[in-house]
Order: sequence, then C-alpha cells, then structure tokens
Amino acid sequence: NAGVTQTPKFRVLKTGQSMTLLCAQDMNHEYMYWYRQDPGMGLRLIHYSVGEGTTAKGEVPDGYNVSRLKKQNFLLGLESAAPSQTSVYFCASTRDRGQVEQFFGPGTRLTVL
Amino acid sequence: DAKTTQPTSMDCAEGRAANLPCNHSTISGNEYVYWYRQIHSQGPQYIIHGLKNNETNEMASLIITEDRKSSTLILPHATLRDTAVYYCIVRVRDDYKLSFGAGTTVTVRA
Repeated sequence: NAGVTQTPKFRVLKTGQSMTLLCAQDMNHEYMYWYRQDPGMGLRLIHYSVGEGTTAKGEVPDGYNVSRLKKQNFLLGLESAAPSQTSVYFCASTRDRGQVEQFFGPGTRLTVL
Repeated sequence: DAKTTQPTSMDCAEGRAANLPCNHSTISGNEYVYWYRQIHSQGPQYIIHGLKNNETNEMASLIITEDRKSSTLILPHATLRDTAVYYCIVRVRDDYKLSFGAGTTVTVRA
C-alpha cells in the first residue's frame, strides 16, 4: 500500500494564480484532512471531510476550497493564490472518527511570489 | 481542548534515554494524551497515546502522572534517526481534530 500520497511535491505560483493539490489514500479511510504548516509552527487544520461528498471547515479555511468527489481523493484548491499562502501542505486520513492514528502524506511545498 | 506546554528544544546523547516532558494542567477527564513526531520535511508520525495508565509500544513509553496534569514521553535508546520535532496533543478520543502546537525539537547527538 502506498498510504497517503500528495501531488505535486513542490510548486511555485505567482500571486493571483490558481492551483489544485491532490491527496490520495489507498486505505479505504472515511476521514481526510488538509493541514498547513508555516515555518517554526505546528500544523493547522484547513478543511476536512468525513466521507465521500462531504467537506467541512477547519481552523484556517479562508482562501481555500476543497472537494471529495471520490472516497480515496481529497482536493485542495487555491482560487487566487496570495503570498500568505506560502506554506507546506499536509494531507492526512483516518479510518473513522475514533481511530487513534492519523496517517500523513509527505507534504507539498508551495511558494507564492 | 486542553492546551499543552512543551520545552522548545532539548539535546540527547545517542544511545541514552530521551525524556520529553509535557504539561497539560487543564486536561479533562475524557481527554487522551497523544504524541506525534515530525522528522524534517516529512509528515507527522503517530508515536503513542494514553488516558491515565502508562503505555509502552515498540517506539516509546508514555508516563502520565496520577493527577494527569503532565506526562513524559520516553525514547529508551535514542538514535540519530530520532532527531525530530515531538508534539504532545490532548484531545477527546473521537474528536476529528488534532491541534498541533510548536512541539519540542529534539536533537540526538553522536
């Protein structure tokens, strides 16, 4: 099993450009999450999903949209990128609400100029 | 959610035990203590969790004080590969959310 994978690994955008980050998991997990991590800080939850077709806001949702059209995929979109969105983005998944361990992907490093 | 307090950084000698403290003085009765670590540039990795009893697995041991206001993660024989940021997190078991603070940067030295 590949676990949680993220595409792309690195990306540089100009202010105002849009892009989509893809997270995929092959563990049949119901819950999926998007976090961002700024330098020297812990992870902050952007959006999450409790199942196919559902999404919900986390701590820092502004400027991002998400979609969960397929159970195994969770997409994070930036419609108009800003320098403040320069960060490392991590995706995670869990089998269900009560599963102890969240499984994280390797991250996407995004720079917005 | 209860908040946690961890030292910013600590050093450890290779082969020695590393003891990582965490204060969570406002923890509620139904909140668990979780530990994750993040090796440089990688996603966080689950280590261990506990409610009130001490716990041990292949990676580490978790010691929780009787009043549950603090805990210690023990890496019994630290290796260079244990150099990472370690996060102590408290949350209700079935809460979807993990709240990461700044963690403790642990550097294992040869």
